[in-house]
Amino acid sequence: DQQVKQNSPSLSVQEGRISILNCDYTNSMFDYFLWYKKYPAEGPTFLISISSIKDKNEDGRFTVFLNKSAKHLSLHIVPSQPGDSAVYFCAAGGGGNKLTFGTGTQLKVEL
Amino acid sequence: NAGVMQNPRHLVRRRGQEARLRCSPMKGHSHVYWYRQLPEEGLKFMVYLQKENIIDESGMPKERFSAEFPKEGPSILRIQQVVRGDSAAYFCASSSPSGVSSGANVLTFGAGSRLTVL
Repeated sequence: DQQVKQNSPSLSVQEGRISILNCDYTNSMFDYFLWYKKYPAEGPTFLISISSIKDKNEDGRFTVFLNKSAKHLSLHIVPSQPGDSAVYFCAAGGGGNKLTFGTGTQLKVEL
Repeated sequence: NAGVMQNPRHLVRRRGQEARLRCSPMKGHSHVYWYRQLPEEGLKFMVYLQKENIIDESGMPKERFSAEFPKEGPSILRIQQVVRGDSAAYFCASSSPSGVSSGANVLTFGAGSRLTVL
C-alpha cells in the first residue's frame, strides 16, 4: 500500500528553467510534508517542509505547494542549476514520528 | 559536530551469516529510525527507537531482523541468517525531542550502510 506516490521516476530540465516535482498521497492523517534530496552514495538531506495548515512555503529557490483537497504537493525549483541534479523524495508525517517516503524522482538539470 | 554516523559503510556477507549495522545519532538526538532502500525503490520505514525502547517496529520483517538502542552506545540493526534479498542500503536517521514536538519531525540521515549478500 503506497501511501505516498511519486509517479514520475525521472525528469530532465534545462539549466535556468523551472523544475516541478510532484507527489500524491492517500492518507488524510498526514499533517506535514517534507522534501529530501539525495545524491548517489549519500544519505537523504532535508530541503523544505510544509504543514498541512499552509498551502505554500518558500525557501530561496525552492517552493513547496500543498493542495489538500487533491492530496497533492509539488516542489518547484527555480532557476534550476546543474548541482540540483539528484533524486528527490517526498515524505509525509503525522500521527506518529516516522516519515513515509515516496519512491523518488531523479532530476537531471542539463546545461 | 558530526552528523548521524553509520558503520560500516559497506558490508559483504555470505548467505546464512549475520550482519550488524551500527548508528550513532546526532548529538542531542534521542530518537533513531532505520530505513531500507532496495534497488530501484524508495525508502521503506523499518523501526523507530528511543533509548532502551522500541516505539514502532511496524516495518520490520517478522523474522531474522532485530534492532536495539541501548542506554550507552549506538543503535544496532541486526540481520540474522542473511539472504540475497536482504541486499540493500540501510539508512539510519535521528531526530530531537524538540523536533518531534514542533509539528514537523525533520529526520537527519546518515550516509547509509550498503549490505551485499553473496
